[in-house]
Amino acid sequence: NAGVMQNPRHLVRRRGQEARLRCSPMKGHSHVYWYRQLPEEGLKFMVYLQKENIIDESGMPKERFSAEFPKEGPSILRIQQVVRGDSAAYFCASSPSSPLARLAEVDTQYFGPGTRLTVL
Amino acid sequence: ILNVEQSPQSLHVQEGDSTNFTCSFPSSNFYALHWYRWETAKSPEALFVMTLNGDEKKKGRISATLNTKEGYSYLYIKGSQPEDSATYLCASKPDTGNQFYFGTGTSLTVIP
Repeated sequence: NAGVMQNPRHLVRRRGQEARLRCSPMKGHSHVYWYRQLPEEGLKFMVYLQKENIIDESGMPKERFSAEFPKEGPSILRIQQVVRGDSAAYFCASSPSSPLARLAEVDTQYFGPGTRLTVL
Repeated sequence: ILNVEQSPQSLHVQEGDSTNFTCSFPSSNFYALHWYRWETAKSPEALFVMTLNGDEKKKGRISATLNTKEGYSYLYIKGSQPEDSATYLCASKPDTGNQFYFGTGTSLTVIP
């Protein structure tokens, strides 16, 4: 039973290019979260998606960043026209149910290994 | 924004010592607290989910307690081993919204 997969593990982009990060949730999980970890900081929530729906994108910058989770295929976090400040580790996590499910245990998030983005 | 704090930031202990660290979170609108263990170059791994005041969970030599009234949780490791070396993260989930709020973690190094 494969865990959460992310690719690529390392991504180098020049300023102004686009970065596309992929996340395949665990089998049977239909909820995906994206987090960003800046150097010396904790994990910061960016966006929460279900299949074909963005549920909460309150943590995502309004410009240049977008996320999707199509019916088929992985969830994608896209960063357009990257800048040096976008350099960070981006983690996705999946869970089998929504965050306010009455059984808190099913909220448990299973994390992928992360994508380390470096913007030159 | 919900402020979750962990202390200490880092900790070095000798093999065999017992240790503990703290996660502080806002007690209002509390729903659940999650503890994760994060080894270098790996993914954060779920340890415990706790919801009730006074909850105590245990997994092997690791245990955790929860005080929702005062807004803190302790993680205890009994008889630390080198393989316990990792960063331990806590995340608080309020009863509204979808966000989990993570602390910055406690980095534990167990010296053989």
